[in-house]
Amino acid sequence: DAKTTQPNSMESNEEEPVHLPCNHSTISGTDYIHWYRQLPSQGPEYVIHGLTSNVNNRMASLAIAEDRKSSTLILHRATLRDAAVYYCILRDVNTGFQKLVFGTGTRLLVSP
Amino acid sequence: DTGVSQDPRHKITKRGQNVTFRCDPISEHNRLYWYRQTLGQGPEFLTYFQNEAQLEKSRLLSDRFSAERPKGSFSTLEIQRTEQGDSAMYLCASTFKWGEPSTDTQYFGPGTRLTVL
Repeated sequence: DAKTTQPNSMESNEEEPVHLPCNHSTISGTDYIHWYRQLPSQGPEYVIHGLTSNVNNRMASLAIAEDRKSSTLILHRATLRDAAVYYCILRDVNTGFQKLVFGTGTRLLVSP
Repeated sequence: DTGVSQDPRHKITKRGQNVTFRCDPISEHNRLYWYRQTLGQGPEFLTYFQNEAQLEKSRLLSDRFSAERPKGSFSTLEIQRTEQGDSAMYLCASTFKWGEPSTDTQYFGPGTRLTVL
């Protein structure tokens, strides 16, 4: 599995935008970029995914670099509930329905 | 609430005892995964089932670990002769195989926290 690199932690103030970076320099053409997050004392939950184009959903936006070697998860207005560990994961669609390979993720701290 | 439930939520046991955890996936999901998470680390894959068939096992799953999914519904994870190193959060996730392949969202339960004294 191609690997990702994320900062260990980031801080934000409530209602400010947050940009969480992820580097994946060895990404292959069939790797989708998935983001999951894990709130305290809960299991991980899906946030968003993309292949080449930027993506938006109700939770976040995903900005993917043109060379696909990096991506950024954007929370437009952080809330206290967004304090969590965010995981950037590559998934090869050709191998299908594989296990998720988590790194250590980025711990996001949100201050009031 | 994702619809995936796990029982118990917490388990404290003494070294050498056997423990069993249960996972009830979302009812129409045919794939079920077990992960283990230690403090400060991301979840690590242990094993997964498609219906009742166990299709992959991680090298983390020693001989003391066994998982079953009878009738392709709920699953159990048993740890025999527990060791202190088994202390961790055990997470279950489920997904529907025939969904959109680029998505394959896994839905996680709340986990079972095991403490081995």
